[in-house]
Amino acid sequence: QQQVKQSPQSLIVQKGGISIINCAYENTAFDYFPWYQQFPGKGPALLIAIRPDVSEKKEGRFTISFNKSAKQFSLHIMDSQPGDSATYFCAARKGNRDDKIIFGKGTRLHILP
Amino acid sequence: DAGVIQSPRHEVTEMGQEVTLRCKPISGHDYLFWYRQTMMRGLELLIYFNNNVPIDDSGMPEDRFSAKMPNASFSTLKIQPSEPRDSAVYFCASSGTSGRAAYEQYFGPGTRLTVT
Repeated sequence: QQQVKQSPQSLIVQKGGISIINCAYENTAFDYFPWYQQFPGKGPALLIAIRPDVSEKKEGRFTISFNKSAKQFSLHIMDSQPGDSATYFCAARKGNRDDKIIFGKGTRLHILP
Repeated sequence: DAGVIQSPRHEVTEMGQEVTLRCKPISGHDYLFWYRQTMMRGLELLIYFNNNVPIDDSGMPEDRFSAKMPNASFSTLKIQPSEPRDSAVYFCASSGTSGRAAYEQYFGPGTRLTVT
């Protein structure tokens, strides 16, 4: 019940295309859903996050879509660029700061120039 | 702010040796996390502290691993004795109440550990 399942494991997208990464969770007590971006040799960094009271959040070319009834959320990267090539992690956490963030396994995204 | 600082960045050691990884969290942050990242298992939480007190160490793989936080600006993760299966990238992260997202975790650059 603590798992966050992420797919696909790897993704190749043409420059200018839309990259889509999907995640699913089981624990309905989760109420904070961040996405992290990790470049080679670096630590993960927060990209965008959403709470379940909204169905979508957009920041620039990055959008989170959230489906509470299906317990699924996804990251869309519009007009994907080679600089977006990185590993992306979805995650989930309950509201209490003492609760740990549960990370998905990650998606390695490669944008073809 | 300098961000989370980890040292060393790379460590190569022989099986059986003691390894100590170090972390300096962002000043003012009250939570500190230690993670391990491998291709097979992804990002695993090992232990985390709140105000220097360990809150959850259920992710520590076995007694060979220990972590301490003697003060708000320093933490160590020790492996004794080290084994080849401990080879991984170890990340330290901290969180506080300021920043773009309250309670967000800020990760350090990681320590790449290789045990031969």
